[in-house]
Formats: sequence, C-alpha cells, structure tokens
Amino acid sequence: QKEVEQNSGPLSVPEGAIASLNCTYSDRVSQSFFWYRQYSGKSPELIMSIYSNGDKEDGRFTAQLNKASQYVSLLIRDSQPSDSATYLCAVNDNNDMRFGAGTRLTVKP
Amino acid sequence: DADVTQTPRNRITKTGKRIMLECSQTKGHDRMYWYRQDPGLGLRLIYYSFDVKDINKGEISDGYSVSRQAQAKFSLSLESAIPNQTALYFCATSDHTGVGEKLFFGSGTQLSVL
Repeated sequence: QKEVEQNSGPLSVPEGAIASLNCTYSDRVSQSFFWYRQYSGKSPELIMSIYSNGDKEDGRFTAQLNKASQYVSLLIRDSQPSDSATYLCAVNDNNDMRFGAGTRLTVKP
Repeated sequence: DADVTQTPRNRITKTGKRIMLECSQTKGHDRMYWYRQDPGLGLRLIYYSFDVKDINKGEISDGYSVSRQAQAKFSLSLESAIPNQTALYFCATSDHTGVGEKLFFGSGTQLSVL
C-alpha cells in the first residue's frame, strides 16, 4: 500500500514567520512531488512541484525533496494570514497520484 | 468562467438512489479524474480517463462507474447510493507534460446520502 503521510496539524505560526510543512512517502520509485493549497470550502490548487533532490524556490515558497529519506517539505517564508489553508502533499508514481490527508496551517496576525 | 465545471454543487439523496455527477472542461486536456475527499483521509482517486476510449479504475472504484462522453465531459455515477459515499467529490484534469501530473480541479460536489 502506497502511503503519503502528513501531520494533520493544526500548525499555527505568527505573521512573518517561516511555516514548515512536512510529508513522507512510502514508495521509493515515486517520480514527482507536488504541494497543493486548499482554502476552506474550495478546491485544491497547485502551488509547487518538484522532481529532483534539493530545493526549488518560487517566491515565498520553497519545496525541498530528499528521495533517499523519502521526504518532501514546503517552507513558506514571511507567512501571511492569507496563507492560512490546508496544504496537501501529492506523490506521483507512473500515473498513480497519491495525496496526503493535508496539514492545516493558521497564520495569526 | 471556470475551466473545470462540476454539476451539481450540492446534492442530497437517499440510500439506494442512482445519481450522476457531471464534469465538463474547457482546458482542452485529455486526462480527466474523479476524486473523493473525506475529512482526515485526503483525496482518493475513484476513476480516471486518459482519452475518450480509455477508462481506468482508481484506488476506490467499487460502487462507482464513469462515462467519458467526449474529450471535455466525464461523468461519475453511483448506481445505488449508500451513506458512506457521503463525501466531497472533485473532478480534475491534467495536461500530461512528461514526468508529473499537474491537476486542475473543479469546484467540487458535496454529496450527502441519507
């Protein structure tokens, strides 16, 4: 059974802080990794994708991938109240996309 | 206008009823998916289709069926609804770009089976 695990939270950080979201996966042959953001009552939207080991930065977001440790993370710098949402980790292996249950993030003003 | 449109947005039905959820897209993507989302369980794949003549079962296909009527349309049916099919259902599309699958989701259908 392929598993994608996330801490459900809630994770609470003050405005301006760095939020760190973590995800582990069980299938070693997984090829691509995604972070989706889902606001309450809304559909998920893609915010980051990463395919190779290391860091990938996009504005205030940084995705980090370590395939040896089967670990992917998302850092949000200078967190804003508008970042308050549930963040879903997704792992793709040959068209089999698996989602974690999500981590709920609250950024307090 | 939404690129991926789901109808209805909300549906309440009774146990044993047959219902259909519909999805249409204007993104021109070949690949379409149906997911359900339950609290604490995340998104789970029900069925997916890579083109009009292609239908594939996902992780939790039992109790569901699908029809890909055209490239732009993908419908999900519950032949005989049961209460544990109460969930939020999402249709999604993707433009396969090689390594990964970037999904574009519709607004969701909240289904309640009484």
